[in-house]
Amino acid sequence: DGGITQSPKYLFRKEGQNVTLSCEQNLNHDAMYWYRQDPGQGLRLIYYSQIVNDFQKGDIAEGYSVSREKKESFPLTVTSAQKNPTAFYLCASNEATGEVFRSNQPQHFGDGTRLSIL
Amino acid sequence: SQQGEEDPQALSIQEGENATMNCSYKTSINNLQWYRQNSGRGLVHLILIRSNEREKHSGRLRVTLDTSKKSSSLLITASRAADTASYFCATVTDKLIFGTGTRLQVFP
Repeated sequence: DGGITQSPKYLFRKEGQNVTLSCEQNLNHDAMYWYRQDPGQGLRLIYYSQIVNDFQKGDIAEGYSVSREKKESFPLTVTSAQKNPTAFYLCASNEATGEVFRSNQPQHFGDGTRLSIL
Repeated sequence: SQQGEEDPQALSIQEGENATMNCSYKTSINNLQWYRQNSGRGLVHLILIRSNEREKHSGRLRVTLDTSKKSSSLLITASRAADTASYFCATVTDKLIFGTGTRLQVFP
């Protein structure tokens, strides 16, 4: 059963703490993405990766970091520098090649991680 | 910056009625995609329409695209309570930009 798995479903962060959100896909997709969703708003792109060991900043990368050591995994770290981390975080993937966002391939999403501040 | 803006922000209808959601955007696009999101879940891709297409169907879904007006509409016919969700348009230029969504409530 192919898909994207995000964990944990709920996560709480203390002040000054870094937390890491997991995203794993078994769809053999090259491109992976991280989005942030705030209430009543659309998705905003944090980071994306087209191939292993390469990733690019999206529109709101400050306070976040990522790695892409394996094709199937794209973890997101929310650092203490991110002062307003409370949000719903979504990971996605697709078969994009060439110019990543010009691809006509739809994105497949995980079920998200809800991050809150303690 | 917001590329796609959905209208209305919220829509409530009875089962069996049709639901129409609109999306307007600002710049030329390669394609436009519609996604659905159930509460607390990830997005699910519904349909993609290319910039050279005017209309596309998938089951009870009908999407139109008017590039001269920079707008698209999503029509759900014979709605069901299970269609209750938020619906987002996403435009593809040099990046994929999501709108703020329309919250659809279908009452049994």
